[in-house]
Amino acid sequence: SQTIHQWPATLVQPVGSPLSLECTVEGTSNPNLYWYRQAAGRGLQLLFYSVGIGQISSEVPQNLSASRPQDRQFILSSKKLLLSDSGFYLCACHSGSYRNEQFFGPGTRLTVL
Amino acid sequence: TQLLEQSPQFLSIQEGENLTVYCNSSSVFSSLQWYRQEPGEGPVLLVTVVTGGEVKKLKRLTFQFGDARKDSSLHITAAQPGDTGLYLCAVYNAGNMLTFGGGTRLMVKP
Repeated sequence: SQTIHQWPATLVQPVGSPLSLECTVEGTSNPNLYWYRQAAGRGLQLLFYSVGIGQISSEVPQNLSASRPQDRQFILSSKKLLLSDSGFYLCACHSGSYRNEQFFGPGTRLTVL
Repeated sequence: TQLLEQSPQFLSIQEGENLTVYCNSSSVFSSLQWYRQEPGEGPVLLVTVVTGGEVKKLKRLTFQFGDARKDSSLHITAAQPGDTGLYLCAVYNAGNMLTFGGGTRLMVKP
């Protein structure tokens, strides 16, 4: 089964600073990959999804961007962070199996001060 | 208005009690999933329900899909502290994209 790695686990950044969060996937090839953001204790909001290298779709207009430079690497970035960018960021991979399941990484907790 | 409305938002109960949480929508779905998320971790799939009226059991957890496939419920019997977490329902849109409900945060006190 798939394993998803995310780093860093936690991050505290000042407003206006850049951001780069990385997600890598093991145990599968050519996966669909997703970035979600979660407000404290609430549901997940889909930010970006990718069906292949260099293919990125955005679900909501925002201060963030995503890139997929390799098949199993998905990066979330920002040039200048806003206070509203704080949250729990989760990377996910679609299983492609009969369970039709999304596997999630351990997440990155971002605090913008 | 969210596609999936979950209720209650928060639930705090004593160990041994029973509880039911709900996931409602005005839309019809081909399937619906329930995930559980523990603090500081990503959600983990519990079950997928597909057929209207379907009931699935996972140990002390019972999941039901509404007859019209617009809603679902999760019932936990004799809740334990290990059941504490955020319970999320979700449905797939086109392109294997999941839409999540707002979640029910459950706390089971020993």
